[in-house]
Amino acid sequence: NAGVTQTPKFRVLKTGQSMTLLCAQDMNHEYMYWYRQDPGMGLRLIHYSVGEGTTAKGEVPDGYNVSRLKKQNFLLGLESAAPSQTSVYFCASGAGARGPHTGELFFGEGSRLTVL
Amino acid sequence: AQSVTQLGSHVSVSEGALVLLRCNYSSSVPPYLFWYVQYPNQGLQLLLKYTSAATLVKGINGFEAEFKKSETSFHLTKPSAHMSDAAEYFCAVGAGGSNYKLTFGKGTLLTVNP
Repeated sequence: NAGVTQTPKFRVLKTGQSMTLLCAQDMNHEYMYWYRQDPGMGLRLIHYSVGEGTTAKGEVPDGYNVSRLKKQNFLLGLESAAPSQTSVYFCASGAGARGPHTGELFFGEGSRLTVL
Repeated sequence: AQSVTQLGSHVSVSEGALVLLRCNYSSSVPPYLFWYVQYPNQGLQLLLKYTSAATLVKGINGFEAEFKKSETSFHLTKPSAHMSDAAEYFCAVGAGGSNYKLTFGKGTLLTVNP
């Protein structure tokens, strides 16, 4: 059972470089999310999607872009990485029967990004 | 707007003791409430959720939580802590409308001492 798979799991970037994190889910979920986790800050929502072809901004969207061209994939891009983007990134998917806020979220194992 | 406050960023208990992790929420509409657990170097996984069916919710691994509307609380408890319960616990609230997301608390790290 794959569930939610994130790649890569670790990455070190230099300031100004770009990269893309890939999230893939095999549960046919409509809703997908990207969070970042920093010590003492909990999880903060970067961007989310409520369906194929749709994306929306979360709490901390600056410096990130996303795309959801296929239902099963949700890509998070950093166009010009900054040290403040050093974090652990989690992708999640869900299928709440009464809306995205009502059901269980399934999380990937995280992608640890360091920006030097 | 919805929000979650977890009281205590770090809770330490002895093995066999009661576990109590506190969560208070703010929501203008009836909320959906969740507790998630995160073990080291892993993603979050659902412990339990409240969806208005019953105020006392039982979850996995012997955990339960009680929804108290008058206190806007959803505290997590377990009668007897086990070493394997050591993890970080997150409370989350979802409150519908145009708000297509869960809001997470900052987490409480549970340490279990032998």
